[in-house]
Amino acid sequence: QVQLQESGPGLVKPSETLSLTCAVSGYSISSGYYWGWIRLPPGKGLEWIGSINHSGTTSYNPSLRSRVTMSVDTSKSQFSLRLSSVTAADTAIYYCARMWAYWGQGTLVTVSS
Amino acid sequence: DIVMTQTPLSLSVTPGQPASISCKSSQSLLQRDGKTYLNWYLQKPGQSPQLLIFEVSSRFSGVPDRFSGSGSGTDFALKISRVEAEDVGVYYCLQGIYVPYTFGQGTKLEIK
Repeated sequence: QVQLQESGPGLVKPSETLSLTCAVSGYSISSGYYWGWIRLPPGKGLEWIGSINHSGTTSYNPSLRSRVTMSVDTSKSQFSLRLSSVTAADTAIYYCARMWAYWGQGTLVTVSS
Repeated sequence: DIVMTQTPLSLSVTPGQPASISCKSSQSLLQRDGKTYLNWYLQKPGQSPQLLIFEVSSRFSGVPDRFSGSGSGTDFALKISRVEAEDVGVYYCLQGIYVPYTFGQGTKLEIK
């Protein structure tokens, strides 16, 4: 069974960089599929942030592209998200997923000083 | 961006009764390979979204057969033949063809 688990700071200061990691078990990242990040801001709907495959090929949401970096470490069976220059608008539950069937439980990230 | 419009935005249903949610896309979701990448999800309270239907009408593993998906091109629907208490939550459609991938606004289903 494919399982994903997000980890990272729950509180980030404005203008700083949000960093999250997604640990994957039950499936080898190297075996295929795209791996993505999606977020759910409070009171709003789901927003796709970006995706990456095992070779590091990425695709980002144009609305966030200038601030997003994703990377993958197949040896550790994990992939990561970095979102720079955060503001309160980036406060959300962040989910990682093996697009599009398997999702992590999500982690709340609050941007506040 | 492809806009996904769901209706209604909320639904109150008596257990055992049917329910239907519509999802319309601003552009056809039919790919050249003949597939249509339209998925349906249910996000139960306090949980992450769970895949119900993929490629318009294929039920994901373990999904009860009271859930069904239909549609083509730009018009899609999710139907629940007999709503149960465990079906409460927010339902989302997703288009997985055009970047950025986009979700509908969500439809909140509650039990009467």
